[in-house]
Amino acid sequence: DIQMTQSPSTLSASVGDRVTITCRASQSISSWLAWFQQKPGKAPKLLIYKASSLESGVPSRFSGSGSGTEFTLTISGLQPDDFGTYYCQQDNYYPLTFGGGTKVEIK
Amino acid sequence: EVQLVESGGGLVQPGGSLRLSCAASGFNFRSYRMSWVRQAPGKGLQWVANIRQDGSDKYYVDSVKGRFTISRDNAKNSLYLQMNNLRAEDTAVYFCVRVLLDTTTFDMWGQGTMVTISS
Repeated sequence: DIQMTQSPSTLSASVGDRVTITCRASQSISSWLAWFQQKPGKAPKLLIYKASSLESGVPSRFSGSGSGTEFTLTISGLQPDDFGTYYCQQDNYYPLTFGGGTKVEIK
Repeated sequence: EVQLVESGGGLVQPGGSLRLSCAASGFNFRSYRMSWVRQAPGKGLQWVANIRQDGSDKYYVDSVKGRFTISRDNAKNSLYLQMNNLRAEDTAVYFCVRVLLDTTTFDMWGQGTMVTISS
């Protein structure tokens, strides 16, 4: 199985900050990586797919990059509504696997 | 409006069975692969199963193989998950999820249904 490792596990940042979350795969997954945002008690929401493609309706301050085994989600100008837990997911191999999550708190 | 609505969750004893249903609306259901993803209380996300548009191909995470069966009825715009021989570790919110075209990631999620396995 492909192991997905996210870092950091939690982060606290101020409104307007540039925030970066990293996701590493245990083997190459090409660009088959997605990012989700989940708020407490809600279903996850797709932000980025194929490593860098922005899902329709998602603000442009969210961006993704990377390929192979290392990927990054960047929030350029953190907004109050960006709190929540962020997950990466590889969709190159079965079983599909998620990272452990990064909890983002607003200072 | 594109919508996925799960039902069928509840409290079941270990070894018991449960059938989850998902009603899809607002999109051409038969054109999409569908999945179930679960989340144990306070934990992360775990993919459970996928099914092809016509139901011909199915994939499962190892921990549910032989116990869970994913199926669909395109005439009823419905997805199902039959869960047998349930274990305490199957306790989770189960989400019905649409698979984004040309990928194997998830672009539409239901609100989830809670399954609790306890004696």
